[in-house]
Amino acid sequence: NAGVTQTPKFRVLKTGQSMTLLCAQDMNHEYMYWYRQDPGMGLRLIHYSVGEGTTAKGEVPDGYNVSRLKKQNFLLGLESAAPSQTSVYFCASSYSGSGRLETQYFGPGTRLLVL
Amino acid sequence: AQSVTQPDIHITVSEGASLELRCNYSYGATPYLFWYVQSPGQGLQLLLKYFSGDTLVQGIKGFEAEFKRSQSSFNLRKPSVHWSDAAEYFCAVGTASKLTFGTGTRLQVTL
Repeated sequence: NAGVTQTPKFRVLKTGQSMTLLCAQDMNHEYMYWYRQDPGMGLRLIHYSVGEGTTAKGEVPDGYNVSRLKKQNFLLGLESAAPSQTSVYFCASSYSGSGRLETQYFGPGTRLLVL
Repeated sequence: AQSVTQPDIHITVSEGASLELRCNYSYGATPYLFWYVQSPGQGLQLLLKYFSGDTLVQGIKGFEAEFKRSQSSFNLRKPSVHWSDAAEYFCAVGTASKLTFGTGTRLQVTL
């Protein structure tokens, strides 16, 4: 099993450009998450999904959109990139756990630089 | 709202010395608590977790953590640190669907 994979690993954008980050998991997990990691701020939740076709806002959703058309994939979109979105983005997934919070498994991250 | 505080931004210990990383949380109910480790350029790996039951939790790589409800703490410990333990450590508290992470503690190990 590959676990959680993220594409691309690194990307440079100019302000105003758009892009989509892809997260894929092969563990048949119901829940998927997108986080951003900035120095001194830990990981902050952007959006998450509790199942195929569902999405919800996290702590810092502004400027991002997500889609979960297939259970195994969770896409994060930046419609008009801004320098403030320079960050490392992590995807994670977990079982639904019957109401209990299960362990989240993380991908290797995508490093995004917006000029 | 739930929150996590890791008061130590950076800690340096000698190889072979003991380690304790502090974590305090704020949450209205019985929390789910986690410790993750992140090596440079890598994703996060779970060290251990607490859901209920025994308040002393054993994890991988020789780490353990103790849940103290009265102090709202979940400190991570290791009796003897190895050079390979140098990394950033994150404490997290969660509900049924979301985790809130602390800001992390960077551990440096001197030989």
